[in-house]
Amino acid sequence: ETGVTQTPRHLVMGMTNKKSLKCEQHLGHNAMYWYKQSAKKPLELMFVYNFKEQTENNSVPSRFSPECPNSSHLFLHLHTLQPEDSALYLCASSQERTHQPQHFGDGTRLSIL
Amino acid sequence: QQQVKQSPQSLIVQKGGISIINCAYENTAFDYFPWYQQFPGKGPALLIAIRPDVSEKKEGRFTISFNKSAKQFSLHIMDSQPGDSATYFCAATQGAQKLVFGQGTRLTINP
Repeated sequence: ETGVTQTPRHLVMGMTNKKSLKCEQHLGHNAMYWYKQSAKKPLELMFVYNFKEQTENNSVPSRFSPECPNSSHLFLHLHTLQPEDSALYLCASSQERTHQPQHFGDGTRLSIL
Repeated sequence: QQQVKQSPQSLIVQKGGISIINCAYENTAFDYFPWYQQFPGKGPALLIAIRPDVSEKKEGRFTISFNKSAKQFSLHIMDSQPGDSATYFCAATQGAQKLVFGQGTRLTINP
């Protein structure tokens, strides 16, 4: 149990569907992150939220829309995705102070048909 | 400037041996270097981390060696065990929020 829970664990969707990924952290952290993990590529940081405010958008296409209603919850809304978006999407949390370790959830495996 | 290069991509070590994974970075502003361990079906978990003001950090069987002048750091796993079989990622960041990861090393420990 990492203290960071992601749902669903697996998701298959068509390119025209709209779905959302959910992340919840029980660690009392105030920073949350979305990462993309593709085969044969390094983990890529997508978004950073500090105290519910987005502080980093790593040139992510607008078909990915994050939402952070409070410091414990993070969503990634998906629409009109492409086959190359199939990947493992990981959520992480940390304290926003410098040099604090990030704790990852187990990810959502997304497959785009 | 933002890349972290990790090698080897895969590594096979006999039980009891030493596993060594190497990383190199370019951005001299990086000031925090964590290593993560990932098992299949799980997210990465922090294993050990180092700041550039020390040359070595040891936690149990895991040691990070850091060479600031060469901009290189490495993970050594002593007395490697089958349970250490996993994918290992090095990372680097300035301030710890914007982690830049290496490509990963798939480590297999043969019994």
